[in-house]
Parts: sequence; structure tokens; C-alpha cells
Amino acid sequence: GIQVEQSPPDLILQEGANSTLRCNFSDSVNNLQWFHQNPWGQLINLFYIPSGTKQNGRLSATTVATERYSLLYISSSQTTDSGVYFCAVPFSSGSARQLTFGSGTQLTVLP
Amino acid sequence: KAGVTQTPRYLIKTRGQQVTLSCSPISGHRSVSWYQQTPGQGLQFLFEYFSETQRNKGNFPGRFSGRQFSNSRSEMNVSTLELGDSALYLCASSWGLANEQFFGPGTRLTVL
Repeated sequence: GIQVEQSPPDLILQEGANSTLRCNFSDSVNNLQWFHQNPWGQLINLFYIPSGTKQNGRLSATTVATERYSLLYISSSQTTDSGVYFCAVPFSSGSARQLTFGSGTQLTVLP
Repeated sequence: KAGVTQTPRYLIKTRGQQVTLSCSPISGHRSVSWYQQTPGQGLQFLFEYFSETQRNKGNFPGRFSGRQFSNSRSEMNVSTLELGDSALYLCASSWGLANEQFFGPGTRLTVL
């Protein structure tokens, strides 16, 4: 199956700093999702981004499908940004699909 | 539009028991997938249902099963619970088989 690697595994920032999270995948994909897992465990959708760049407030994401990576940018970080960030790509098998997740980046934003 | 809902949110069982978890997808979504999250193994795919048919299954023993009803609601069942089944079980729904997935809040299962 497809391999998904995220870096860095842990990131500690001061409030107001910017950060870049990376997601590498081992095979071509037709879409990619970024999630933020909140303290209660729910995965919150951030971006659905098979290619190109999208922005949503202080967050933006870029996927370069031909080079098999995606980047998540967080600007002017806030303590509420803390949590685990996952990227996930689909592994298609015939008519079925499953998401393969990276191991996540644990982000801690200090006040 | 209401999001994905899962019940119960928390569950405590003992080894050997069986458990049923429920997931109601976003209205209009026909695909439901289940994932298990543990500290050691991360997020792992369990199975996916579309139009009441299991389309794919992850690498889990036969003790893990599921089904989908005509209204797209899904249930998963774990029989003969083991300590290692303690995990957060997440359900996701999407409109079709190749669309953005949206997750529910999860069911946290503890097996004693």
C-alpha cells in the first residue's frame, strides 16, 4: 500500500510564530486531506487538496502531486492551534477507497 | 447540515464481551468508513460501506464486522473483546467513493 510520512513529528512554537508541516507520499494520488485532531479526538477537516494551493484564514496548504508531497502552513499561530495534524491520502482498490494516514505532527503552541 | 454522529461516545467493556458502535452519516452521504486509532498503531482503516455493501476491509481479524442500512447508517461490531481493542473508533462519511471524508467525534472504547 501507499506510505505516508509526516514531518516533523513534534513541533513547539511560541504564540505568533509561523510553521510548516510536511507530508510525503509514496505513490501518485488523486486527492489529499489535512486534518486537525482536537483534544477530544475528533478529526476536523482543514483542506481537501489534490493539487495546487488553498488558503483558509491563517492556514494554507499546497500539494505538488507530481513530486508527491504536501505542505501545511500555519501563520501567526495561536494556542488553540495546538493538537495533532494529520495528512491522509486515498488508496484505491477497485471501486473501494480507504484513507491512509501519516503518523501526524504534534504541534504545541506556547502562550 | 448536521455532521457525522456516533454513539455511544464512551464505552467500558470487559474482555470476552462484544460491543456494537453506531454511526449516522451526514445527510445525503452514502459512503461510511470506520477507522481505529491507538497510540501504538495510529489511525488504521477498518472497513468501508457504500449502498449497504462492504467495499473494502482493512487488515483486522474476523472479530471486527460491520454493516450498513438502507438509510446509510452504519454499525460496527467487535466480538470477544481483547485488551488491545481499547481504542478510539472513528467513523467517516462521504458523498461517494472518491470524495472528501468527514469524521464523527468518535467512540472511545476501553476494554478491562
